Amino acid sequence: DAKTTQPPSMDCAEGRAANLPCNHSTISGNEYVYWYRQIHSQGPQYIIHGLKNNETNEMASLIITEDRKSSTLILPHATLRDTAVYYCIVFRGYGNYGQNFVFGPGTRLSVLP
Amino acid sequence: GAGVSQSPRYKVAKRGQDVALRCDPISGHVSLFWYQQALGQGPEFLTYFQNEAQLDKSGLPSDRFFAERPEGSVSTLKIQRTQQEDSAVYLCASSLAHDTQYFGPGTRLTVL
Repeated sequence: DAKTTQPPSMDCAEGRAANLPCNHSTISGNEYVYWYRQIHSQGPQYIIHGLKNNETNEMASLIITEDRKSSTLILPHATLRDTAVYYCIVFRGYGNYGQNFVFGPGTRLSVLP
Repeated sequence: GAGVSQSPRYKVAKRGQDVALRCDPISGHVSLFWYQQALGQGPEFLTYFQNEAQLDKSGLPSDRFFAERPEGSVSTLKIQRTQQEDSAVYLCASSLAHDTQYFGPGTRLTVL
């Protein structure tokens, strides 16, 4: 599996956009980029995923560069409840039964009042 | 619908005791995964089931760890003769096939 690199921590002011970067320079053409977050004492929560195109859902937007070597998760209006550890994962999936997620240390996002 | 549930949420065991951790996946989900998360680290893969078949157990740290999913739904992770290094959060995840995984809240195991 491709490895990902994320900054260990970031701060964001409440109400502002939080932009979380992820580098995955060795990603393969059939690997997806997944984002999860983990709020203290909870299990990881699925946020969004994408292959090539930018994606948006009710939680966030995912911007993937054209060469797919990096991506950015955008929380458009961060709230205090968005304080969590955010994990960027590359995942082959879709036709590869049983491929487990490989988690790195993630980015600890602190949303400040 | 209901998400993935795990029980107990917290378990304290004396060193040497056996423990059993339960996972109820989302109904209809074929794939089930167990992960172990040490304090301050990301989850690490333990084992994978496709229906009742355990297809990958490469992440189990020792032969004291055993998992089963006899009817292809509920799964149990058993740890025999627990050691202090087994203290961690044990996470269960399920997916419909081979795509997005949905995680339960985890069981926090503390071995004294």
